Amino acid sequence: DSGVTQTPKHLITATGQRVTLRCSPRSGDLSVYWYQQSLDQGLQFLIQYYNGEERAKGNILERFSAQQFPDLHSELNLSSLELGDSALYFCASSVAPGENEKLFFGSGTQLSVL
Amino acid sequence: AQKITQTQPGMFVQEKEAVTLDCTYDTSDQSYGLFWYKQPSSGEMIFLIYQGSYDEQNATEGRYSLNFQKARKSANLVISASQLGDSAMYFCAMRSPYNNNDMRFGAGTRLTVKP
Repeated sequence: DSGVTQTPKHLITATGQRVTLRCSPRSGDLSVYWYQQSLDQGLQFLIQYYNGEERAKGNILERFSAQQFPDLHSELNLSSLELGDSALYFCASSVAPGENEKLFFGSGTQLSVL
Repeated sequence: AQKITQTQPGMFVQEKEAVTLDCTYDTSDQSYGLFWYKQPSSGEMIFLIYQGSYDEQNATEGRYSLNFQKARKSANLVISASQLGDSAMYFCAMRSPYNNNDMRFGAGTRLTVKP
């Protein structure tokens, strides 16, 4: 158990809908990261937060947004969903955003857009 | 640009033998971190080993060791005495200040251990 909690584990929805994925980092970790894993794109970095502030953006679509709350949990919002958004979405956390800090991953949310 | 390259989409190894999974990276940063993760069929991402760019000795963690060749920008994972449970996807990753220390991943190598 990594200590990172993601809910829900599975999500099935229709095109055009909006969903929210939730993540609770490990106790004491201030940095939260979101990744998307699909068969054709591999593991893609989406966005990073540190202590409530957005720190960096990766390949995140404009239809997607995220935030980190004062209690350090984070939510990833996906809207106007398309078939191609079907993927495994990971949340990860680390104590700080240093280059020597390993990431602890949640078990992921498997999103299926039908 | 920062890039992680894993050139072996799939590898096979006989149980109890050693196997090397290749990883090369491209960075202009002097300080960076290199990581390997394992993803079994169940889907979770499991941290295996870390190597810092200034570490002079190769990292080791149990049956895992990292063959770090800084001048060649390679960070190969060596798994000794392979076990059936080692069958999984293996990802090489890097964190560097160039990318705000985000962790970027290679495409992965699928390792299959044969009995």
